[in-house]
Amino acid sequence: EAQVTQNPRYLITVTGKKLTVTCSQNMNHEYMSWYRQDPGLGLRQIYYSMNVEVTDKGDVPEGYKVSRKEKRNFPLILESPSPNQTSLYFCASSSTQGRGTEAFFGQGTRLTVV
Amino acid sequence: GQSLEQPSEVTAVEGAIVQINCTYQTSGFYGLSWYQQHDGGAPTFLSYNALDGLEETGRFSSFLSRSDSYGYLLLQELQMKDSASYFCAVSAGGGGGNKLTFGTGTQLKVEL
Repeated sequence: EAQVTQNPRYLITVTGKKLTVTCSQNMNHEYMSWYRQDPGLGLRQIYYSMNVEVTDKGDVPEGYKVSRKEKRNFPLILESPSPNQTSLYFCASSSTQGRGTEAFFGQGTRLTVV
Repeated sequence: GQSLEQPSEVTAVEGAIVQINCTYQTSGFYGLSWYQQHDGGAPTFLSYNALDGLEETGRFSSFLSRSDSYGYLLLQELQMKDSASYFCAVSAGGGGGNKLTFGTGTQLKVEL
């Protein structure tokens, strides 16, 4: 089954404690991205990656890091989380073969930073 | 940068037709997509328009006018399960057309 898998689904952490949210896709997609979703603000892109070892900032990259060492994985790293990073996070992937192809989203990670 | 506007909330009755509008401002426009998201769930793809005109997929249709920077999603024969948030998204700018910028979403409530 084609899917994007995020872990964990829920996470409560304390300010300053480094964390990683994993994302893996099994569709051999080149393009992967991370979004955060906050009430009234829609989905805002944090980082994206066009392929292995190619990453770039999205619209709200501050406080986040990513890496793309393998095509299937695109982890999101919060080196020093702060309460304003409390949000619902989604990973997504899509093929670059043809623009506007469907983006597949993971089930989301609800992060609370206290 | 990109910006999109869509209504925050729309209410309609079961069996009716509803139209959700989206206007956008962007550079390097490739196309307009629509996504559906139920409460607590992941967004799921509904449609994509790169050219002017209407695209129909079952009960859902999507329209684009590139000259007006405008599009809409049309939902026919509304069902209770259509109650969800609907997002328009432009493909533009970086990422070779894969970069999606989303609107703030329209919450559709379908009533009996």
